Amino acid sequence: QVTLRESGPALVRPTQTLTLTCIFSGFSLTTSGMCVSWVRQPPGKALEWLALIDWEDDKYYNTSLRTRLTISKDTSKNQVVLTMTNMDPVDTATYYCARIPGPSSPLDYWGQGILVTVSS
Amino acid sequence: QSVLTQPPSVSAAPGQTVSISCSGSTSNIGNHYVSWYQQLPGTPPKLLIYDNHARPSGIPDRFSGSKSGTSATLVITGLQTGDEADYYCGTWDSSLSAVIFGGGTKLAVL
Repeated sequence: QVTLRESGPALVRPTQTLTLTCIFSGFSLTTSGMCVSWVRQPPGKALEWLALIDWEDDKYYNTSLRTRLTISKDTSKNQVVLTMTNMDPVDTATYYCARIPGPSSPLDYWGQGILVTVSS
Repeated sequence: QSVLTQPPSVSAAPGQTVSISCSGSTSNIGNHYVSWYQQLPGTPPKLLIYDNHARPSGIPDRFSGSKSGTSATLVITGLQTGDEADYYCGTWDSSLSAVIFGGGTKLAVL
């Protein structure tokens, strides 16, 4: 059974760095082709893809946010971490992590999401 | 502005059929599989269609997908009130080396 769960702060101050952890089970990031991705959704708005890390530790980022994002993995803990620097109120959103089981595959399992509010 | 273009909203009566379009380019839809996601209010997105037209286990055959050139379409037949949700198309973009989504379409079942 595949599950993913996002963990992190619900409130972040402007200019601070956000650190989110995706804790997953039911699959391994050492499996060939496997990826984990982060997606966010501001309240009432559309999905926005943020970043992806694959089984070979290759990383891909949303070009418009690339300078602020870092994605990493700890395969021994089945975790993927996303950091986003210099948080701003416009970054207020629900942040999701999701599994991509192979090249050209969809985001087939999603976490429940975590609402992160950026406010002073 | 999303790389993939979807209509902001569509509506139809229960029992009717509705289609949702997703328009892209050769760097995304034209050369990559399209997936569709359903997001019911207050819940995470759920995979509805993958590889342009395949359905994950448990998704009823009222939901179907197709792709032609640089556009894809989601069709929902026999509409039910429970189908009211936001629908997103998604794919890979080779030029951006990124996952991309459409802007989402809100379906109202009147």
